Amino acid sequence: DAMVIQNPRYQVTQFGKPVTLSCSQTLNHNVMYWYQQKSSQAPKLLFHYYDKDFNNEADTPDNFQSRRPNTSFCFLDIRSPGLGDAAMYLCATSRAPLAGAGNEQFFGPGTRLTVL
Amino acid sequence: AQTVTQSQPEMSVQEAETVTLSCTYDTSESDYYLFWYKQPPSRQMILVIRQEAYKQQNATENRFSVNFQKAAKSFSLKISDSQLGDAAMYFCAYDNNAGNMLTFGGGTRLMVKP
Repeated sequence: DAMVIQNPRYQVTQFGKPVTLSCSQTLNHNVMYWYQQKSSQAPKLLFHYYDKDFNNEADTPDNFQSRRPNTSFCFLDIRSPGLGDAAMYLCATSRAPLAGAGNEQFFGPGTRLTVL
Repeated sequence: AQTVTQSQPEMSVQEAETVTLSCTYDTSESDYYLFWYKQPPSRQMILVIRQEAYKQQNATENRFSVNFQKAAKSFSLKISDSQLGDAAMYFCAYDNNAGNMLTFGGGTRLMVKP
């Protein structure tokens, strides 16, 4: 089945220790998104890629970086995690936005990050 | 900027009954899309239903239907014949038709009682 896969499902890191979360997709979608979701809150968009074009949300901290080496994979790097970065991180994909498309986003299961 | 408001943090429904989740939004656009996404506990978020603003007819997907009131900027979700598997967080979301960017509401946690 075509899907969005996130590894690992659970990640524990130490305060200030860099961590990388990964996302892969078999849907061949042009657009990939990273969201941060804190407990019982709405997902907050961090950035997205339209093919290789990177788009950063204005309020995404500099501590967060992303890489998309090819269509299938996307990585979220947190350079110096703080306690406030503990959250669920969701990856999502969608087809290229055509005029009037309103395409569905397909989500992965998320990676729950704990910062000690 | 668009905003999406879900005024019910939690809702409860008896199995087999009907429940309606509320959503209002604010926009100056005339062409846009609205979605309801479901996020079950420890499982991934999935699309429940989608509505194009230019369509007057309310979207329906099996037991799920919407009441889209464009003038009132209201987009409620009705779940008929509720099942235990419907228990989840439900997010209303807005897409302004400019690139598949979603603005989410704060979510409503739905509990289904057997």
